[in-house]
Amino acid sequence: AQKITQTQPGMFVQEKEAVTLDCTYDTSDPSYGLFWYKQPSSGEMIFLIYQGSYDQQNATEGRYSLNFQKARKSANLVISASQLGDSAMYFCAMRPQTGANNLFFGTGTRLTVIP
Amino acid sequence: DAGVIQSPRHEVTEMGQEVTLRCKPISGHNSLFWYRQTMMRGLELLIYFNNNVPIDDSGMPEDRFSAKMPNASFSTLKIQPSEPRDSAVYFCASSPPGTGMAGELFFGEGSRLTVL
Repeated sequence: AQKITQTQPGMFVQEKEAVTLDCTYDTSDPSYGLFWYKQPSSGEMIFLIYQGSYDQQNATEGRYSLNFQKARKSANLVISASQLGDSAMYFCAMRPQTGANNLFFGTGTRLTVIP
Repeated sequence: DAGVIQSPRHEVTEMGQEVTLRCKPISGHNSLFWYRQTMMRGLELLIYFNNNVPIDDSGMPEDRFSAKMPNASFSTLKIQPSEPRDSAVYFCASSPPGTGMAGELFFGEGSRLTVL
């Protein structure tokens, strides 16, 4: 069974500081994909970043980077230089090799950026 | 480019009534997903289609729920009869062909359902 765990229900960060949102996963598949989505208060789901299990380097997209530690089965999202607009729910998700197209989501972390 | 379009955005209905949620995926996408989001259970996959064919409906809660995809540009999720515990935000998402493991899902804005 595939499982995504986000242990931080809520996080606070000072504006312009960096923050790390934790995500661990459990799968027996040798190949899988890891995703992060942002859900602002308006409700839409916004794709942020992707990491493949065989990628040699950690993924980066602008201020977002993924700290991928395969042996620990963790895929933490790092947001640098936090902005007020970063306040939102953040979801980690995994696509297992055997799951075709489906994504399994974690329970999310609510990030609040403090001015 | 138009994203995934869902309707209605908000629906308030009474227990026992039929509810139909609609979704238009992004043109050219061949996979379509219905997710349900609640505070208690988070985001759960209900069903997904590939090339209009249901592939996995194991997440559909019970026989009250049904989903169809009559063509590549339209899908419905129907609840009949609705119950208060069906209150949630229902998301439709689509993804394009050929993206393999890395293809992200493109989500609609969701349909917020309240069953009284």
